[in-house]
Amino acid sequence: DTGVSQDPRHKITKRGQNVTFRCDPISEHNRLYWYRQTLGQGPEFLTYFQNEAQLEKSRLLSDRFSAERPKGSFSTLEIQRTEQGDSAMYLCASSPTGLSTDTQYFGPGTRLTVL
Amino acid sequence: GQQLNQSPQSMFIQEGEDVSMNCTSSSIFNTWLWYKQDPGEGPVLLIALYKAGELTSNGRLTAQFGITRKDSFLNISASIPSDVGIYFCAGFQSGYSTLTFGKGTMLLVSP
Repeated sequence: DTGVSQDPRHKITKRGQNVTFRCDPISEHNRLYWYRQTLGQGPEFLTYFQNEAQLEKSRLLSDRFSAERPKGSFSTLEIQRTEQGDSAMYLCASSPTGLSTDTQYFGPGTRLTVL
Repeated sequence: GQQLNQSPQSMFIQEGEDVSMNCTSSSIFNTWLWYKQDPGEGPVLLIALYKAGELTSNGRLTAQFGITRKDSFLNISASIPSDVGIYFCAGFQSGYSTLTFGKGTMLLVSP
């Protein structure tokens, strides 16, 4: 399977714990995006990378959130001191460079539940 | 900021019927994307549109990039039960590097 993969698919944690999610983009894609999606809403942009550089962060990305893409391949999204309001689906997407750079392909998501 | 108005919010149709949904904005968009999302899964790309007036098909799906660059339409012909899901429009506004999504159209198909 050469699509975007995410791990884990589901995470249940207690309030105050830290969690980390991983995303592996499509191998030739150098742009990687993180989104958050709550019930009944479309995905909301959090941040994106071009290679290893984090180029933009949304206001939604509070100080408790940090994302990395150290070698320009996979990326991690960490949430520290989780709150119940962090419960959501966290989606990763990737896109190629060139004319099709706007076309983003999504992974299956990580469903986070904070108790 | 960027806002996309997607309608209808939901549709309940009989198998075999044609479906039409649309997405509008007060701002100009350079790219329109249509996705389908099943419960518990990520959005799957259906059609990408890059030029005003462009009409693109993918099987029974057809999407158009509006001439004003402020809207897009998705049509599904001869619907089948597996078309059930939530359809999202998304777009890139000129000068922005982030993708904006509509709130989705939930499609239910009765066999």
